[in-house]
Amino acid sequence: GAGVSQSPSNKVTEKGKDVELRCDPISGHTALYWYRQSLGQGLEFLIYFQGNSAPDKSGLPSDRFSAERTGGSVSTLTIQRTQQEDSAVYLCASSSTGTGAYNEQFFGPGTRLTVL
Amino acid sequence: GQNIDQPTEMTATEGAIVQINCTYQTSGFNGLFWYQQHAGEAPTFLSYNVLDGLEEKGRFSSFLSRSKGYSYLLLKELQMKDSASYLCAITGGSYIPTFGRGTSLIVHP
Repeated sequence: GAGVSQSPSNKVTEKGKDVELRCDPISGHTALYWYRQSLGQGLEFLIYFQGNSAPDKSGLPSDRFSAERTGGSVSTLTIQRTQQEDSAVYLCASSSTGTGAYNEQFFGPGTRLTVL
Repeated sequence: GQNIDQPTEMTATEGAIVQINCTYQTSGFNGLFWYQQHAGEAPTFLSYNVLDGLEEKGRFSSFLSRSKGYSYLLLKELQMKDSASYLCAITGGSYIPTFGRGTSLIVHP
């Protein structure tokens, strides 16, 4: 079956503009994660959705960042008033369960965001 | 909180064996993951350890010592295609994986 998909693959925007990044998880996966990866850095956790529970937003760096997940499937990460420091690769991952000890994550190809 | 340390970069020769270490500090521990990430690509799952000891999977093995907060990934019979970044990640009470910065492995002929 299809893996995790993300769109767009690349996004170049001007400082101050809003952007929306989309993630389609693997069908049936209840857990969805957003991460950010800057050049030479590890994965920085942003937000986590598990089923119908309230999302864990503890990793969002500022109130300019928000995300939603509609119908327990597709997720959109929105960055308002983008800044140059927002430039990074945004990775989405899903897993069959977010609870329990074993929750292998399947990652999408990422969206490379460049803020000019 | 959680903290993970890995070497930034390692080099090795094709056909050799390399060990990539990962040390961590965490208030709660459920398991440790290793992921492989080729340049410009998404991370892919390699292994998961929840109990102490060695887990072997083909050319790759992963070891965990919970009492020492220590893991390593062992790669045998290195191939050029093994050149990649290797990410160590741990899950604590929240089950949200925390990733280290990754170790960039360069395999040369």
